[in-house]
Amino acid sequence: DTGVSQDPRHKITKRGQNVTFRCDPISEHNRLYWYRQTLGQGPEFLTYFQNEAQLEKSRLLSDRFSAERPKGSFSTLEIQRTEQGDSAMYLCASSPLSEGGEQFFGPGTRLTVL
Amino acid sequence: QQPVQSPQAVILREGEDAVINCSSSKALYSVHWYRQKHGEAPVFLMILLKGGEQKGHDKISASFNEKKQQSSLYLTASQLSYSGTYFCGTEKRGGADGLTFGKGTHLIIQP
Repeated sequence: DTGVSQDPRHKITKRGQNVTFRCDPISEHNRLYWYRQTLGQGPEFLTYFQNEAQLEKSRLLSDRFSAERPKGSFSTLEIQRTEQGDSAMYLCASSPLSEGGEQFFGPGTRLTVL
Repeated sequence: QQPVQSPQAVILREGEDAVINCSSSKALYSVHWYRQKHGEAPVFLMILLKGGEQKGHDKISASFNEKKQQSSLYLTASQLSYSGTYFCGTEKRGGADGLTFGKGTHLIIQP
């Protein structure tokens, strides 16, 4: 299957710890997005990469959050000093470079901060 | 600004039709529609672009009124598998930023 994959699928951590998530997009997709979704809400945009360049960051993305996409392939999202409010589903999506490219989502990483 | 979806929830019998609306206060480049089942990732259904182009599902249709900044998703002859939460995601610039999603419309199809 060549869809978007994410790892891990679930992460439980204690407040104050750092966590890192990985996303592998569909191989020919240049664009990669990170979203966060809490219960009963739609996904909220966090950041966007075109190839290896991070072109957009939401104001939701505090200094504790950092994302990378070295070599324009997989991406990582790191959260430092996690807080209980960080508990959410973290979704990655990818899309082709063409205008109006549909975004395909991965299965997500569910983060629980105790 | 987050788009506004209506209705918030719909309960239908199998075979009935439904319309889900999405409206924005800002000018839009495109509207994307997704369906999400509990515990799963959103699944792409359809994209409507400024200028009239549409890409997506062959059993679901949608419209995009650029002037009114509104889109509607039409589900005809609904099937049990259509149950889930439907989200519209709006985009101001083509591919250059992420989608801004509405709060979703919960659709329950009963046999």
